[in-house]
Amino acid sequence: AQSVTQLDSHVSVSEGTPVLLRCNYSSSYSPSLFWYVQHPNKGLQLLLKYTSAATLVKGINGFEAEFKKSETSFHLTKPSAHMSDAAEYFCVVSDQNSGTYKYIFGTGTRLKVLA
Amino acid sequence: DAGVTQSPTHLIKTRGQQVTLRCSPKSGHDTVSWYQQALGQGPQFIFQYYEEEERQRGNFPDRFSGHQFPNYSSELNVNALLLGDSALYLCASSLAVRTSTDTQYFGPGTRLTVL
Repeated sequence: AQSVTQLDSHVSVSEGTPVLLRCNYSSSYSPSLFWYVQHPNKGLQLLLKYTSAATLVKGINGFEAEFKKSETSFHLTKPSAHMSDAAEYFCVVSDQNSGTYKYIFGTGTRLKVLA
Repeated sequence: DAGVTQSPTHLIKTRGQQVTLRCSPKSGHDTVSWYQQALGQGPQFIFQYYEEEERQRGNFPDRFSGHQFPNYSSELNVNALLLGDSALYLCASSLAVRTSTDTQYFGPGTRLTVL
C-alpha cells in the first residue's frame, strides 16, 4: 500500500525567508506525487505534481519540489515566503486499484507566515 | 468555465438523520470522487464514480452511498448520522482517472455538523 508522511504538523517562517515542508513517501513502485494547498474556507488547489519526467518540479506561486528516490522524499520549497502563503499544505500520492486511481493524503502541514 | 461546485455550503443535522450532498463536476469531466476531511486531518477517500457506477471505495461503512447522474453530477448520501460524521466533505472531479498522474480538481466542500 502507498502512503505519505508529512513530517511537520506546523511550520512557522518569517515573511521573505525560505519555506521547507517535508514529505516522505512509501511505495512499491514509482509513485505519482502531488502537493495541494488549502486556504481557509476554500477548496484544495494543486500546487504541483511529479510525473517522473523530471525530478525537480516547478509549480505555481514560486513553489517547487524535488523527488529524491534514494531518500523517498518529495519536499516542498519556496525561496521567499509571502503572507498569502499561510495555509494548510497536503502531500498526496496517487494509488491504483481496480483500474482507477484515488488520492491518499498526508495529515497536512499548517504554514504560518510571520510579518 | 465553472469549476467544481458543491451544495449546500453548510449543513446541520442531528444524530440518526439522513443527509444528501451534491456535486457538479468541472466542465468536461466525467469522474467524481468524494473525500471526508475531519477537523485537523487530511482528506480520506470515500468512493469514486465513473459512468454512473461506483468504481472504487474506501474504508467507509455502507451508511455512505452515492450516485452519479447521466450529466456526471453526483450525490453523496449518509444515513443514520453519527457525531463522528461531522466533517468537511469534498468532491473532486477529473477526466476518467486512468493514469496515476491524472489531476483531480476539488470543490470548496460542504461542512456537515452533526449534533
